[in-house]
Formats: sequence, C-alpha cells, structure tokens
Amino acid sequence: DQQVKQNSPSLSVQEGRISILNCDYTNSMFDYFLWYKKYPAEGPTFLISISSIKDKNEDGRFTVFLNKSAKHLSLHIVPSQPGDSAVYFCAASSFHNRKLIWGLGTSLAVNP
Amino acid sequence: NAGVTQTPKFRILKIGQSMTLQCAQDMNHNYMYWYRQDPGMGLKLIYYSVGAGITDKGEVPNGYNVSRSTTEDFPLRLELAAPSQTSVYFCASEGAGGYGYTFGSGTRLTVV
Repeated sequence: DQQVKQNSPSLSVQEGRISILNCDYTNSMFDYFLWYKKYPAEGPTFLISISSIKDKNEDGRFTVFLNKSAKHLSLHIVPSQPGDSAVYFCAASSFHNRKLIWGLGTSLAVNP
Repeated sequence: NAGVTQTPKFRILKIGQSMTLQCAQDMNHNYMYWYRQDPGMGLKLIYYSVGAGITDKGEVPNGYNVSRSTTEDFPLRLELAAPSQTSVYFCASEGAGGYGYTFGSGTRLTVV
C-alpha cells in the first residue's frame, strides 16, 4: 500500500520551461512534506519542504504547493536548467512518527 | 564538514558471506536511518535509531542487524548474504530540531 505516490516515473522538459512534479498521499495524518533530489551514484539531497499549515513554500527557482483537501502536492521548477536533471523523491511524515514515507521518484530530464 | 560518511562505496559478496556497512556522522544528530534502494524502486527503511543504545526495525529488517553504541556511528550488519540483498544502501541522519535528512553517498552491494 503506497501511502505516497508519484504517478509519473519520468518527465522531460525543455530548458527554460517549467517543470511540474506531482505527488499524492493517502494518509491524512501526514503534516510535513519534503522533496529530495538524487543524482546517479549519490545520496538524495534535501531540496524543499512544506508544513501542512502552509499551502506554498518558495525557495529560489523551486516552489512547492500543497492542496490538503486533495491530498496532493507539487514541485515547480522555474526556469528548468539541465543541471536539474535528476530523480526527485517526494516524502511525507507526521508529528507522531518522524519516519519519512517515500514515493518511488520521478526522473526529470531537462533538455538543452 | 564531512556530514554522513558511508564505507565501502562498492562491495561484491558471495552468498552466505557476512559484512558490515559502516556509517558515521559528525553533526551530533540523534536520529539515524538505514535505507535500501532497489532499481526502479523508492527507499525502503531497514532500521533506524533515535539515539545511542536505541534501535528499531523499519519496513524490511529481515537479514540485517544494527547497533548504535555511539551517537556518531550506526553500522549495518549482513550476517548471511543472499542475492535478494543486492541493492544500494543509504545511511541518513537527522537532528532533533527538525525534519530533513542528510544522506551518505551510498554503498552499492552485489551478492553473487
């Protein structure tokens, strides 16, 4: 039972355009959501997070939107750059259980 | 600033052999985690620790053991290696103050 779902295994966009990566969750107890980025042969690195008390968090080119009623979050990258090509993981946790629950990842390719 | 250090980076084991994957962090983080990532799959939690002397099972603990005698170190032990344990193993740590894991660069293990 996948509590955090990233339904698109891969995404390809042109450099300079917007990349939108989606994530759905089923557990209404989740109150903290994170995005990690992973390059081949490296560990995941933290990218951006959002608490359930917010619906948007922005950090430079990266913005995460949270729709609690739909149990959906998305990561927007604007403008996309070739260096953004990586696998992006969505993860969620709850206040009472710090262990992160991970999606399967979306592989983003940004083409020059 | 080393962060989380994993050794070795690569290892080939024969079926039935044993080995220890090392993980050390220098950030004085209380929480530490061991994950495995199989091809095309997300991160599966093997074991975790909330502090020195305290460990607990994750989603996929069978075939593994851990110990946490110090805050810094969290080794993962494979006693009787099986082909099903062929995977990439990631260690992560997290401070008590908030979410956001710091990952090591991973150990790629092949059991033949």
